Amino acid sequence: AQSVTQLDSQVPVFEEAPVELRCNYSSSVSVYLFWYVQYPNQGLQLLLKYLSGSTLVKGINGFEAEFNKSQTSFHLRKPSVHISDTAEYFCAVSDRDNFNKFYFGSGTKLNVKP
Amino acid sequence: GAVVSQHPSRVICKSGTSVKIECRSLDFQATTMFWYRQFPKQSLMLMATSNEGSKATYEQGVEKDKFLINHASLTLSTLTVTSAHPEDSSFYICSARAGQGSASPLHFGNGTRLTVT
Repeated sequence: AQSVTQLDSQVPVFEEAPVELRCNYSSSVSVYLFWYVQYPNQGLQLLLKYLSGSTLVKGINGFEAEFNKSQTSFHLRKPSVHISDTAEYFCAVSDRDNFNKFYFGSGTKLNVKP
Repeated sequence: GAVVSQHPSRVICKSGTSVKIECRSLDFQATTMFWYRQFPKQSLMLMATSNEGSKATYEQGVEKDKFLINHASLTLSTLTVTSAHPEDSSFYICSARAGQGSASPLHFGNGTRLTVT
């Protein structure tokens, strides 16, 4: 089974500053990678995904993530955050060989301060 | 596209009663839907995989008689919390994949906040 590790449970950052949310997974073999955002009392919204090809993927709201196979990482970045980016962010891994297996990290709360 | 609608968004019920939560895929067919439970400040915990036309597959530790899942059509799955107790209070989220392969992302409903008094 895969495991997904989000090292930071909370990340405080000032508005307009850059941010990186870290995500590591147990194996780079046969996986697809995703980042989701969750606003309070809502479901999860897909930010971006890595399936194949270029290791740098761009998503919605100005976010991007880079797939690093050697480090088994898929860190999420944004060069300048807004107050509205305050939310919980989840990294997720899909098992390529098992349609029903989707693994989530524990989440990182991004708190953007004015 | 790929919208998942979940209803109700909030429900308050008395201990001992049952509550039904609906999950619909609005613009795609979903042979498989997933039900998650989320505790405050925690990640999502997969409860069960709902399969259209057959029995749901429950994760270890989830009581199948307490959390009844029915997937009667390709666009509707329901989760019924039977004889609810205060410890069942939680945020329940359903999801589905619009595509057939593992590359297709999960699309989520907006969740249901269940409070059992």
